[in-house]
Amino acid sequence: QKEVEQDPGPLSVPEGAIVSLNCTYSNSAFQYFMWYRQYSRKGPELLMYTYSSGNKEDGRFTAQVDKSSKYISLFIRDSQPSDSATYLCAMNTNAGKSTFGDGTTLTVKP
Amino acid sequence: EPEVTQTPSHQVTQMGQEVILRCVPISNHLYFYWYRQILGQKVEFLVSFYNNEISEKSEIFDDQFSVERPDGSNFTLKIRSTKLEDSAMYFCASSYDKTLGTEAFFGQGTRLTVV
Repeated sequence: QKEVEQDPGPLSVPEGAIVSLNCTYSNSAFQYFMWYRQYSRKGPELLMYTYSSGNKEDGRFTAQVDKSSKYISLFIRDSQPSDSATYLCAMNTNAGKSTFGDGTTLTVKP
Repeated sequence: EPEVTQTPSHQVTQMGQEVILRCVPISNHLYFYWYRQILGQKVEFLVSFYNNEISEKSEIFDDQFSVERPDGSNFTLKIRSTKLEDSAMYFCASSYDKTLGTEAFFGQGTRLTVV
């Protein structure tokens, strides 16, 4: 079993749609949860990170963590064509290294 | 805005040759990382580095790999004898704090092609 499983894509939505991206994990030692956005042939760009269970909002983005279910989500409201990218979930133990999901490629169509 | 810079952006090398990938982390950051991403696959942790020594390394980071911070600003990844399967994007990242390793900033990557 992979430590981090990410919902496979690709995902294609119309502009303005709400997007839900999801990951599950098996390692209870994970304490920090992150979402990165990666454009083609570029480095991952940190979007959001959370520590505790619950929701964290930043503009159109909401990160949700449910530690009891070992499940994290990223919601994008009012999606824009510029949101088209690959989204990576990643998780850390205290050790600092990040374990990434496989990524979900999102296309937002105008 | 401060950023992590990597050079070169693309390196082509022959199998068996040594390559050195270079990174300049953000200046006040203390923790440094190398990750790789084989085309179409996930980003994989290679090594973390703090206080001039390796903090943690993955099983990928075998004796062919080494890291160094030669001059207080650069952070390098050396692959001694490259193999075809080393072809990948290599990302350097840095963060100020390890326990908040969440806030790691990634460079744009070096695409290594081994022929």
